[in-house]
Amino acid sequence: KAGVTQTPRYLIKTRGQQVTLSCSPISGHRSVSWYQQTPGQGLQFLFEYFSETQRNKGNFPGRFSGRQFSNSRSEMNVSTLELGDSALYLCASSGTGRNTEAFFGQGTRLTVV
Amino acid sequence: QQQVKQSPQSLIVQKGGIPIINCAYENTAFDYFPWYQQFPGKGPALLIAIRPDVSEKKEGRFTISFNKSAKQFSLHIMDSQPGDSATYFCAASTGGGSQGNLIFGKGTKLSVKP
Repeated sequence: KAGVTQTPRYLIKTRGQQVTLSCSPISGHRSVSWYQQTPGQGLQFLFEYFSETQRNKGNFPGRFSGRQFSNSRSEMNVSTLELGDSALYLCASSGTGRNTEAFFGQGTRLTVV
Repeated sequence: QQQVKQSPQSLIVQKGGIPIINCAYENTAFDYFPWYQQFPGKGPALLIAIRPDVSEKKEGRFTISFNKSAKQFSLHIMDSQPGDSATYFCAASTGGGSQGNLIFGKGTKLSVKP
């Protein structure tokens, strides 16, 4: 079974630009969550999508947005990039039911210059 | 407001030792408590998880101890090996049937010396 796939693995963007990150979940998983990981703040929850609807949202500004497609693939968009947005962005997918776990991808390393 | 507090930040043990990592939470609505292991350049991987209806869970060399009244839980790694050197994160969620909304601790960098 293929794992969670995130593309691209690395990105360098200029301040003020926007960026779109992609996540393909494990086959059959309908929940996709996004997290930001930085040395200072650690792993922080951005948002979760389930069946194309945002189910939960973390405490991030509106510049961070996402969406999920009918095949459960998800994209995350960050507009008007700031230097502080430099981070590892992780996607996790999970199935349904009480004992499912969240499986993480390897992440997209975003550097804003 | 940090909802899950993890300690220590870093830990060095000798091979065969038993490192213990502690976490404390505030939100009594949390109902799922996983531990993740992360190696450099990789995403976090689930090690073991517990729900508040049990006080201890073992999987191989990894044990979670859970104290609901104290709102604390800890990870013990028995017979630690150099290959266990990684960063460990505790987490919590109120997901019920979904673990898509995890609140993580700040992480503990574990180094196991040969």
